[in-house]
Amino acid sequence: QKEVEQDPGPLSVPEGAIVSLNCTYSNSAFQYFMWYRQYSRKGPELLMYTYSSGNKEDGRFTAQVDKSSKYISLFIRDSQPSDSATYLCAMSAGANNLFFGTGTRLTVIP
Amino acid sequence: DADVTQTPRNRITKTGKRIMLECSQTKGHDRMYWYRQDPGLGLRLIYYSFDVKDINKGEISDGYSVSRQAQAKFSLSLESAIPNQTALYFCATSDGGRGTDTQYFGPGTRLTVL
Repeated sequence: QKEVEQDPGPLSVPEGAIVSLNCTYSNSAFQYFMWYRQYSRKGPELLMYTYSSGNKEDGRFTAQVDKSSKYISLFIRDSQPSDSATYLCAMSAGANNLFFGTGTRLTVIP
Repeated sequence: DADVTQTPRNRITKTGKRIMLECSQTKGHDRMYWYRQDPGLGLRLIYYSFDVKDINKGEISDGYSVSRQAQAKFSLSLESAIPNQTALYFCATSDGGRGTDTQYFGPGTRLTVL
């Protein structure tokens, strides 16, 4: 079993839709959770970072962590064509290596 | 200028050739990483270095070697390239401090081994 599981999609939504991206994990020691966005032919870039359980909001993006269920989510409100990218979840137990999901490819259709 | 740069950006080579991919960073981070990305497999860690004198194997180090020439430079070598090493390779850096390991990625090197 992989440490981090992520639905690869692809996911296609109309502009303005709410998008939900999810990851599950098996290691209960994980306490730092990140979402990276990767545009085609580019390196991943950090989008959101949360520590432990709870929600974090940044503009149209909300990250949720449910440690009891070992489940994290990224919500994108009012999705835009510029949000079209691959989204990777990542997590770590501390100042150690990151474990990445395989990424979900999202397309927002104008 | 980009904080993390990789050269070359694209490379096509033949089976058996030795290849070196280079990474430089201006972020002042101590930690550097090499990953490969394959469709459906995500990012897999090849090697990582927490400082100039520290080199560690990652999940898939077989067939690869690295050199940390300075705090800012970390190179990845394929001693004898094979076709299943065709992939997108990323270098990343982090400062490893304050309980998290947020990593910053370079633009990637697309390697094709024929």
